[in-house]
Amino acid sequence: SQKIEQNSEALNIQEGKTATLTCNYTNYSPAYLQWYRQDPGRGPVFLLLIRENEKEKRKERLKVTFDTTLKQSLFHITASQPADSATYLCALMDSSYKLIFGSGTRLLVRP
Amino acid sequence: NAGVTQTPKFQVLKTGQSMTLQCAQDMNHNSMYWYRQDPGMGLRLIYYSASEGTTDKGEVPNGYNVSRLNKREFSLRLESAAPSQTSVYFCASITLDRGLGYTFGSGTRLTVV
Repeated sequence: SQKIEQNSEALNIQEGKTATLTCNYTNYSPAYLQWYRQDPGRGPVFLLLIRENEKEKRKERLKVTFDTTLKQSLFHITASQPADSATYLCALMDSSYKLIFGSGTRLLVRP
Repeated sequence: NAGVTQTPKFQVLKTGQSMTLQCAQDMNHNSMYWYRQDPGMGLRLIYYSASEGTTDKGEVPNGYNVSRLNKREFSLRLESAAPSQTSVYFCASITLDRGLGYTFGSGTRLTVV
């Protein structure tokens, strides 16, 4: 069956450092990979999308890489700030535009 | 503000009771989705509607029904609630000609006792 793995342990980093979150998947060939941010008690908020034929995508302090051979995406937040503290969700989108989500990784940025 | 509106925000049901969760979007999106989110399990798709007039099952449809009332509204019904349906429910929408990122509502926290 399809499986998406994100590190269940929280990532704890110092303000100003780069946060790197990992998303691995198996038994799936996604057309797109997306990253969402979720704050406690709120719905997920879309951040970035990367297509299967793209290696890297950037948006302001965010960078996503996508390696379809390794079946892995890395999500980077550079110059991290306490306001970046949240849970980050990886999601795979198939050709029918349905999303399958990972369980998320919680990021804590210390001042 | 434009977006996805869910009602109610909180609900407590007794086992066997029924209820309908409401979802409306004002972005003229074509496709709408219902997910549930449980601790440690991520978001799981219950039902979706690719366009007005169509609905399809997702990963976990048992115990639920849906209605795509019109282009704006997509409701989720629990006919006979069970404690296993205790969860946070999210509605989302998307339209393909404006990018592929989902817009989510703020969720309904449902407890079945």
